[in-house]
Amino acid sequence: ETGVTQTPRHLVMGMTNKKSLKCEQHLGHNAMYWYKQSAKKPLELMFVYSLEERVENNSVPSRFSPECPNSSHLFLHLHTLQPEDSALYLCASSRERVNYGYTFGSGTRLTVV
Amino acid sequence: AQSVTQLGSHVSVSEGALVLLRCNYSSSVPPYLFWYVQYPNQGLQLLLKYTTGATLVKGINGFEAEFKKSETSFHLTKPSAHMSDAAEYFCAVSEGGATNKLIFGTGTLLAVQP
Repeated sequence: ETGVTQTPRHLVMGMTNKKSLKCEQHLGHNAMYWYKQSAKKPLELMFVYSLEERVENNSVPSRFSPECPNSSHLFLHLHTLQPEDSALYLCASSRERVNYGYTFGSGTRLTVV
Repeated sequence: AQSVTQLGSHVSVSEGALVLLRCNYSSSVPPYLFWYVQYPNQGLQLLLKYTTGATLVKGINGFEAEFKKSETSFHLTKPSAHMSDAAEYFCAVSEGGATNKLIFGTGTLLAVQP
């Protein structure tokens, strides 16, 4: 148990589907992050939330829509994805302004067919 | 902008041999540096970090790293490799600030041969 829980662990979806990834932490952290990890590519920071407010959106296509309803939960809503969106999606959390590093979840392995 | 370069995408060592994984960084301000490990089908786990103070930092599983400002390096070492060390290792740099944004290297896959 890492302290950051991601569900589902695996997801297969068609290009016309709508699905959501969920991330939950009860570590008292107040910043949360979505990363995309594709084969043979560096980790890509997608979104940053600090105190439930989105503070960074790294040119992510609009077919990815994040939501942070409170400091413990983070969602990534997916719709009309492309096969190249298949990847491991990692959620992380940290304490704002304190460099203890991130705590990562185990990720959701997404396959778009 | 900060960046991280990890030399060698694949490193193979024999069990019991020294492990050396290289990381060089670029940062316009004093950096915070991290090493993470990722086992198959898992997220990233923090191995160790350097923020301030002692430049030789010790982490979990017998790993350590030394911050060398003059060389802009933060190489990861372990005196004796175990089979269980086989994993992918990521170096990361942060400039701190409100969101502690981490920039990761491309990773080094460590194989340990019996």
